[in-house]
Amino acid sequence: GQNIDQPTEMTATEGAIVQINCTYQTSGFNGLFWYQQHAGEAPTFLSYNVLDGLEEKGRFSSFLSRSKGYSYLLLKELQMKDSASYLCAVMDSNYQLIWGAGTKLIIKP
Amino acid sequence: ETGVTQTPRHLVMGMTNKKSLKCEQHLGHNAMYWYKQSAKKPLELMFVYNFKEQTENNSVPSRFSPECPNSSHLFLHLHTLQPEDSALYLCASSQPTNTVGEQFFGPGTRLTVL
Repeated sequence: GQNIDQPTEMTATEGAIVQINCTYQTSGFNGLFWYQQHAGEAPTFLSYNVLDGLEEKGRFSSFLSRSKGYSYLLLKELQMKDSASYLCAVMDSNYQLIWGAGTKLIIKP
Repeated sequence: ETGVTQTPRHLVMGMTNKKSLKCEQHLGHNAMYWYKQSAKKPLELMFVYNFKEQTENNSVPSRFSPECPNSSHLFLHLHTLQPEDSALYLCASSQPTNTVGEQFFGPGTRLTVL
């Protein structure tokens, strides 16, 4: 079956760095997405990786290793507004998104 | 309006009621989706429409009935729901389903079934 695993919850301190991991097993691979979802709001797109390596976008970076079925989202210089759930999703060979359960990130002052 | 909108934002209904959720996208997309989001669970894909044609129905009970009159509008008709159907229902849109691209989500309807 298809499966996406990510930690349920993480806690980090304002100003610090946090890495949220995601491992996957899917039928085919057409890329991996990261979304951010604040409580009570819509998920919003953060990043897309289809080739191995690191993609950097300001304070956020996303890494992919296709051979290991592994990705991580790196958040630097954490701010209180980064408190949210982070969803990992893989697009399979049928162009369908397979979703993880999300990682709730709690930022403490 | 921009992006993807959903109404109502909150809905409380009894098990014998009939109600409808509405979604509208202003992004010129041709694919639209209904998802169910329950606490600590992955997003569950319910229905997919591509160019107004339903292409996916993930074993969703018949008490949920989708309707897609055009590429910009999507409805989810609800009747004789169960308390376990209480969840956040998210609508999303994207470029056609056989292409790689991000999905854009609406804010969701928080549904409570009593």
